[in-house]
Formats: sequence, C-alpha cells, structure tokens
Amino acid sequence: DGGITQSPKYLFRKEGQNVTLSCEQNLNHDAMYWYRQDPGQGLRLIYYSQIVNDFQKGDIAEGYSVSREKKESFPLTVTSAQKNPTAFYLCASTFRGQNYGYTFGSGTRLTVV
Amino acid sequence: AQSVTQLGSHVSVSEGALVLLRCNYSSSVPPYLFWYVQYPNQGLQLLLKYTTGATLVKGINGFEAEFKKSETSFHLTKPSAHMSDAAEYFCAVSDRAGNNRKLIWGLGTSLAVNP
Repeated sequence: DGGITQSPKYLFRKEGQNVTLSCEQNLNHDAMYWYRQDPGQGLRLIYYSQIVNDFQKGDIAEGYSVSREKKESFPLTVTSAQKNPTAFYLCASTFRGQNYGYTFGSGTRLTVV
Repeated sequence: AQSVTQLGSHVSVSEGALVLLRCNYSSSVPPYLFWYVQYPNQGLQLLLKYTTGATLVKGINGFEAEFKKSETSFHLTKPSAHMSDAAEYFCAVSDRAGNNRKLIWGLGTSLAVNP
C-alpha cells in the first residue's frame, strides 16, 4: 500500500547535536512538506519542496535544513542552532494540483534530553 | 493574505449529540477547503474537502461540511457524536491561484465526547 513513512517515531537529542528525521513516500507525489506541531499552536511550516533538487523556507526555517535529492525522500535535519527543538514533527506530501489535499505521515516526536 | 479561524479551541459534547466545529476563512476568491482529523500522537487524516460543485460535502466517519460563500465559512458537523470522534480537528484552505498552493491552517479544535 502507498503512503508516507516517518522514522523514527520517537527521537531524543542531546544539547548541541544535529539529528535527522526521515520522511519517505511511495505515492509518486511531487510536493513534500515538513511541519512542526506544538500544543495550542497548530501546524507551522518549516520547509517545503515542489520538485526534486528544489525547496523553499517556510515560516519557521531557522535552525532546520532539508534536502530533496530523490522524489520519494525529504529528510529534515534539526541542527544545534534550533534552540527549542522539542516538538512533534509531521511530514506531508501531495500532487502539485493542490485540490488533492495532503497525505501525512504518522509523525516523529523529538525530545531534547 | 489568507487566514483561517477556528472558533473554539476546545469543544465538548455528549455522546449522541450534534457536533459542530466552526471554520471561517478570509480569501478574495473561493478557495479549496479541507477538514482533517488528528488522533493523539498520530498524523493528520483527511476527513473531507471542497473544491467545486455541490457545497455540501460528505466525508468519512459520518462527517459533513457546507461551504457558504456569503459567510466565508466551512463548518464541520456530525449528527450524532461517538466516543471515537474525540480528537483534534483542523480546518485548512488553499488558494486557487498561483503555483505555490500551500495549505493555510487553522489552530485546531479539540473535541471531547462525554459518555
């Protein structure tokens, strides 16, 4: 079955470490998105990519980096520059025609220890 | 710029009662409209969407929503709440114009269903 896989489901980061969250989809979707979710703040867009080898900053890109070397994959790196990384991270994808809506992964919960 | 307002961050209903979750948007032209549901520690799942055509849209799990252009609203309803409906609900809109069709999200409404 097609879908989006995020891994790991839980991730713990020490102060000063970079960590990478994985997002893989086999839906042949063109566009992929990373969101951060904090209680009471809804979904905030970190980065998005409409095509391979191209991506744009979202509303809260500082302290994060991404790559889009393959259509199926859109990994997110949380760098040490992100001072408050503890959150729930969601990856989504869609075809470029936006009326399809997004398909979401099951999320990664990142905790700083 | 587009925006989405979900009235009421928390809604509580009794099992069997009507569910009404409110969503209003601001847009110069009728957008695409979506409702998503999120269960604890999970991703979001599409409940229903409005693109064109009939303004009353039926979705999964017995939910429906009506697009009212004059009121710039897209409220979500379900005639009879089940305990399993307890979740977070998000309304989202997308501009029809342009190549960058990002979704604009409301802050969500947490639905509690009491026995």
